Amino acid sequence: EADIYQTPRYLVIGTGKKITLECSQTMGHDKMYWYQQDPGMELHLIHYSYGVNSTEKGDLSSESTVSRIRTEHFPLTLESARPSHTSQYLCASVSPTGGRAFFGQGTRLTVV
Amino acid sequence: GDSVTQMEGPVTLSEEAFLTINCTYTATGYPSLFWYVQYPGEGLQLLLKATKADDKGSNKGFEATYRKETTSFHLEKGSVQVSDSAVYFCALIERDNYGQNFVFGPGTRLSVLP
Repeated sequence: EADIYQTPRYLVIGTGKKITLECSQTMGHDKMYWYQQDPGMELHLIHYSYGVNSTEKGDLSSESTVSRIRTEHFPLTLESARPSHTSQYLCASVSPTGGRAFFGQGTRLTVV
Repeated sequence: GDSVTQMEGPVTLSEEAFLTINCTYTATGYPSLFWYVQYPGEGLQLLLKATKADDKGSNKGFEATYRKETTSFHLEKGSVQVSDSAVYFCALIERDNYGQNFVFGPGTRLSVLP
């Protein structure tokens, strides 16, 4: 049902590496989010975007950055990964009518 | 700011038991309310929604009624199955305010035993 995709699903990388988590949606939604999900399953908003060239930091301080050059793509980048970045990352977009959110399947990142 | 509170988990039930997961919210306006479900290893999926007071959302045997007077949106199911084991998130978004972010509750993990 959902037309929002995240890649990769799983990633194990070494400390200090630069990584980009991809998120794409084909629904033409302007508003997109990145959440970090802690082991207790709570969602923490780390970045969001209102549309092209719009990016905002969320409630949870994060060392990641995002970009929104095209409506469809909202990639998240870690310039230098650390073990503390090990987490599940969820991307979402919101329909402008009715406010429904569509979520990707998530990227489980492990930094060793 | 807006917030959503859910009952703490984990909740463990036997198959065919009755389920209630409490959710209350605070909001300055008139939010739309949602329940999302996350199955193991998956992203969140919309379970049901309600957009105004007294609306009842329902799907897959789950129900929740938007109670403005008690600012609540409790999730119920009359007879749970093992396949209902998942994490359930209550959420709100302010209606007619596209600039407002979603606010999620902390999630409640449900385990249903055969």
